[in-house]
Parts: sequence; structure tokens; C-alpha cells
Amino acid sequence: AQSVTQPDIHITVSEGASLELRCNYSYGATPYLFWYVQSPGQGLQLLLKYFSGDTLVQGIKGFEAEFKRSQSSFNLRKPSVHWSDAAEYFCAVGSSNFGNEKLTFGTGTRLTIIP
Amino acid sequence: EPEVTQTPSHQVTQMGQEVILRCVPISNHLYFYWYRQILGQKVEFLVSFYNNEISEKSEIFDDQFSVERPDGSNFTLKIRSTKLEDSAMYFCASKGHNTEAFFGQGTRLTVV
Repeated sequence: AQSVTQPDIHITVSEGASLELRCNYSYGATPYLFWYVQSPGQGLQLLLKYFSGDTLVQGIKGFEAEFKRSQSSFNLRKPSVHWSDAAEYFCAVGSSNFGNEKLTFGTGTRLTIIP
Repeated sequence: EPEVTQTPSHQVTQMGQEVILRCVPISNHLYFYWYRQILGQKVEFLVSFYNNEISEKSEIFDDQFSVERPDGSNFTLKIRSTKLEDSAMYFCASKGHNTEAFFGQGTRLTVV
């Protein structure tokens, strides 16, 4: 069964500092990987996704993530965070994008930005 | 930009009552989902729906739950007799054949 681990429950960074949120997945074949962001009281917005090809993927809001098969990881990064990045971030894995496939989410990482 | 719309945004109901959560998926999508997020916990899959039938459901999705696509545009989740532990944010999502899943803003269900 597929699973996702986000080891950091809560991260605090200063505005302007760099950010890396960790995600490890377990899946028997090539995974389809996603990062979603949830602002307080809001829904889930897709930041970026990895299906195949280049292992470094660019997303919205200046985020990027790198797929590392050898480490079963898909960490999210941003070189310089803004106060508006404060939110909950969820990593998710799907078994396919070309059909009716559910997503399995991690427990999320809450990001706090301090001035 | 097309989006998934959920109504209501917040529903308060008494224990034992029936609730219907409504969703309007993106119009040309084929696959429809309900997920649930209990406060402070992760988002959990409930059910997927394709070609007018349930294609997969989780252990959470017991006989108290049902889904329906009554008119080709709406997609509903019904909880027949709500329990306190059904209190959660419920997310609807839809997906095209070659797209990622798009999520709605969620319905916060509070059972009192």
C-alpha cells in the first residue's frame, strides 16, 4: 500500500529565509507525487506535481521540488519565503494520473513565518 | 479558471440527522472523489466515483455514507445518521483523464 511520511509537523522560518519541507513516500512502482498547500480555512491548492522526466519540478509561488528515487523523497523547497507562505503543506502520492486514482496524503507540515 | 464548487461552506447538524454535502465538479472531468480531514489530522480518502458508480471506497465509507451524481453536474455525499465523529472538513475533488485532481474549498461539518 502506498504511504507518505512528512516528518516535520511544524516548521518556523524567518521571512526571506530558505525553506525545505521533507516528504518520503512508499510505493512499489513509479509514483506520481504532489504538493498541496492549505491556507487557514481554505481548500487544497496544487503547488506542483511530478509524473516523469526531469526530477526537479517547478511550481507556483516560487516553489520547487526534487524527486529522488534512491531516497524515496520529494522535498519541497523555496529560496526565500514570504509571510503569505504561512500555511499547511501536504505531500501526496498517487499510483497514476491517467485514470481514476486516489491520493494518499501525508500528515502535513504547518509552516509559520516570523518577521 | 474552472474550479470545483462546494456548498455549503459550513454545516451544523444534530447527531442522528441526515446531511447532504454538495459539489459541482469541473464540467469535463470524469472522476469524482470525496476526502475528509478531521481537525488537526491528515486528509483521508473516502470514495471515488466514475461512470455513475463507486469505483473504490475506504473503510471509513460505511453504510451510513452514500454518493450520487443525480443530474450530470452535481456530485453529492450523504451521511444518513450523523455521529459526533463525522465532524470534519469534507473535500470534493474532480479529475480529468489526463489531469491532476482539483479540490474544492471544502465543507466544514460540525455534528453537535
